[in-house]
Amino acid sequence: KQEVTQIPAALSVPEGENLVLNCSFTDSAIYNLQWFRQDPGKGLTSLLLIQSSQREQTSGRLNASLDKSSGRSTLYIAASQPGDSATYLCAVRDQAGTALIFGKGTTLSVSS
Amino acid sequence: KAGVTQTPRYLIKTRGQQVTLSCSPISGHRSVSWYQQTPGQGLQFLFEYFSETQRNKGNFPGRFSGRQFSNSRSEMNVSTLELGDSALYLCASSLASAGVADTQYFGPGTRLTVL
Repeated sequence: KQEVTQIPAALSVPEGENLVLNCSFTDSAIYNLQWFRQDPGKGLTSLLLIQSSQREQTSGRLNASLDKSSGRSTLYIAASQPGDSATYLCAVRDQAGTALIFGKGTTLSVSS
Repeated sequence: KAGVTQTPRYLIKTRGQQVTLSCSPISGHRSVSWYQQTPGQGLQFLFEYFSETQRNKGNFPGRFSGRQFSNSRSEMNVSTLELGDSALYLCASSLASAGVADTQYFGPGTRLTVL
């Protein structure tokens, strides 16, 4: 059974820092991996999608990498801002390509 | 293009009642998935519909059911509500063209409270 783990559970940094959020999964047979952001009480906003054949994806200050063989993905946030404060969720798509299996998330707080 | 919409946004029910939640996907999207989010369990997959057919189902009791209409709109129903059903219910849609698993876009959710 696929399990997704995110470390750390919470992270506080000052504005301007570069930071890395980690995601690990137990079964390397994934279809793709997606990073989301969730603001308190709100739905999820898709940040990046990495197909299983890709190694990384970039969008603005965000860069996500995928290493299927080791079951790891990282989300790199450059020059963090207070507006980046949110919970970041990692999810892998199962081989059937339908269900997303989520980690518990990393709650990020960026202080000004 | 309008995003995924969910109605109602908030619901309060009592134990034993039943509830129906609605989800309208992004125009052109044929796949709709439902997830339950609780503080303890996090986000868990309920089921996925594509072209009015349930393609996958998570590990939830039969009290949780859903359907999809010809216009891709979807509803989920929870019967005989229990206190533990209190959660944020999220709907997501994707193109799923030719069965390809692409980006899922989430709605704002329905907050269900069971008293």
